[in-house]
Amino acid sequence: DAGVIQSPRHEVTEMGQEVTLRCKPISGHNSLFWYRQTMMRGLELLIYFNNNVPIDDSGMPEDRFSAKMPNASFSTLKIQPSEPRDSAVYFCASGGQGAAGELFFGEGSRLTVL
Amino acid sequence: SQQGEEDPQALSIQEGENATMNCSYKTSINNLQWYRQNSGRGLVHLILIRSNEREKHSGRLRVTLDTSKKSSSLLITASRAADTASYFCATDAGTGNQFYFGTGTSLTVIP
Repeated sequence: DAGVIQSPRHEVTEMGQEVTLRCKPISGHNSLFWYRQTMMRGLELLIYFNNNVPIDDSGMPEDRFSAKMPNASFSTLKIQPSEPRDSAVYFCASGGQGAAGELFFGEGSRLTVL
Repeated sequence: SQQGEEDPQALSIQEGENATMNCSYKTSINNLQWYRQNSGRGLVHLILIRSNEREKHSGRLRVTLDTSKKSSSLLITASRAADTASYFCATDAGTGNQFYFGTGTSLTVIP
């Protein structure tokens, strides 16, 4: 298996622009998580999907952030409009029931908002 | 916050020495996990310990869990330069399916 695939790996954009981050989870996994990592805040859980349904989005910082999972093999995290404080590394992770809680992370998308 | 706190924040040791990292958390848990992150990479799962377990081993890793103190420790024995990375604990805060990460310990193993 190729593991969790995220794109883009790096994105530099200007304040006010829309940013879309993409994630392909491991086939067969039914849980998907989006995390944000910064030096100041560490790893923050943004949203959790189970069987493509958003279960808990209480970590989404503002209405500018939205996440979707239209099918079991694809999820997006969108920021509109982006702000410099959104600069961070965004990770997607997936997990399966058989893994008993183990999460498999992608390599992350490093976002810089100027 | 449901996050754990790792201690120390940074640790530097000589190759061959043992490294011990600690994690404290705030809420009841079903399980606790440890992850490793190499610079610029994603996190990799190391070991999971359930709330009814006190100790678990995997290769050179030894994890302990004290639920009465809400704390866990990760011991890496006979460290190698390749163990240089950041190490995070993650708890499910009793949810069983959502995982909250601590602040991490940055380990440097000097060859």
